[in-house]
Amino acid sequence: AQKVTQAQTEISVVEKEDVTLDCVYETRDTTYYLFWYKQPPSGELVFLIRRNSFDEQNEISGRYSWNFQKSTSSFNFTITASQVVDSAVYFCALSEAVGGATNKLIFGTGTLLAVQP
Amino acid sequence: DTEVTQTPKHLVMGMTNKKSLKCEQHMGHRAMYWYKQKAKKPPELMFVYSYEKLSINESVPSRFSPECPNSSLLNLHLHALQPEDSALYLCASSQGRGDWETQYFGPGTRLLVL
Repeated sequence: AQKVTQAQTEISVVEKEDVTLDCVYETRDTTYYLFWYKQPPSGELVFLIRRNSFDEQNEISGRYSWNFQKSTSSFNFTITASQVVDSAVYFCALSEAVGGATNKLIFGTGTLLAVQP
Repeated sequence: DTEVTQTPKHLVMGMTNKKSLKCEQHMGHRAMYWYKQKAKKPPELMFVYSYEKLSINESVPSRFSPECPNSSLLNLHLHALQPEDSALYLCASSQGRGDWETQYFGPGTRLLVL
């Protein structure tokens, strides 16, 4: 069965600290995609990154970086020099193809990140 | 532009009311989704439309009735809801050309059923 685990329910850091959000997934598929979304208090889910199972290169986008390791089934997300605006719930998700060129997102339970000024 | 819009932003309704939620995208996407999200929980898939046809219904009660009148518009008709249906309802869309495309979400409608 497909499953995503985000063991950290809540994390609190002080501004400018680095923080890593953990994501562990389970799947029997050889081809799969992983996503990270950010959900600020306003409610909208904001897409951050999409990574396929064949690309294990780490990715960096500004203060954000992602570490994908198939050997440990992990796709961790690091925010460098955190800012108050980073405060949100972050969801890791695994994509399951369901036909008709559509997919079903299997979400983790989310990690609430609170960045204190 | 990756914008999905949803109206209304907030909705309060009684258990005997009939209301509709609206979702719109102008990105040329051909797959659209409805999700329900309870407080402090991840979103749960309700319905999937592919090329204006319902392809997935995740065993959603019939008091929720989706409709896709055209490729840009997705509605969710609500009737005889229960207080436990109070939640954030999120719409999303994806291109509809491949199996693992990114879903782009709208801001959601916060529904309160009294």
